[in-house]
Amino acid sequence: NAGVTQTPKFRILKIGQSMTLQCTQDMNHNYMYWYRQDPGMGLKLIYYSVGAGITDKGEVPNGYNVSRSTTEDFPLRLELAAPSQTSVYFCAIQMSGGRTGELFFGEGSRLTVL
Amino acid sequence: GQQLNQSPQSMFIQEGEDVSMNCTSSSIFNTWLWYKQDPGEGPVLLIALYKAGELTSNGRLTAQFGITRKDSFLNISASIPSDVGIYFCAGPLTGTASKLTFGTGTRLQVTL
Repeated sequence: NAGVTQTPKFRILKIGQSMTLQCTQDMNHNYMYWYRQDPGMGLKLIYYSVGAGITDKGEVPNGYNVSRSTTEDFPLRLELAAPSQTSVYFCAIQMSGGRTGELFFGEGSRLTVL
Repeated sequence: GQQLNQSPQSMFIQEGEDVSMNCTSSSIFNTWLWYKQDPGEGPVLLIALYKAGELTSNGRLTAQFGITRKDSFLNISASIPSDVGIYFCAGPLTGTASKLTFGTGTRLQVTL
């Protein structure tokens, strides 16, 4: 999954804490995405960005915030962590020259809220 | 909202067998994609379909874009142990070209 780097890989949070999941890409792609995957489930889109300075909500944006100040970085922020946010979070980019939906995913960040 | 339902949810097969799975929706999709997810990894794109009726292969994998635009099918021939994983279908949400919705997944396990 070289090219899309997510940190941290694992994190345990207490209810009410805040944290930022980092996503960095080195392929200069405009389109970036954040998905969450609950155990045994498919992926749900949280937020996405079509370029620096432009972000938009996906299917499940509540409880999250994003920013896109540079092409390379697309951090996802949890302000008040809740147990319902326990999940695996995946950052993705749309591959260069790729058509709609041809995404390249990072390795994921596993978050547990207790 | 748009939902993609995959069938079967899980399957056990023997090495060498062929596998078939499908994905259905109550809404029309103009693009169908199939991804595979290995344990502990992010999904990886297998096949993308952009035209109704299209049949596309990638090695032992063959996918079809249903004529009704409401379904898609994935077949794996002569399965091998590394085919183990979860297979997801996906398509763009209505009115957007850049927001994918994913199916519920089909978990494939291969026995020797």
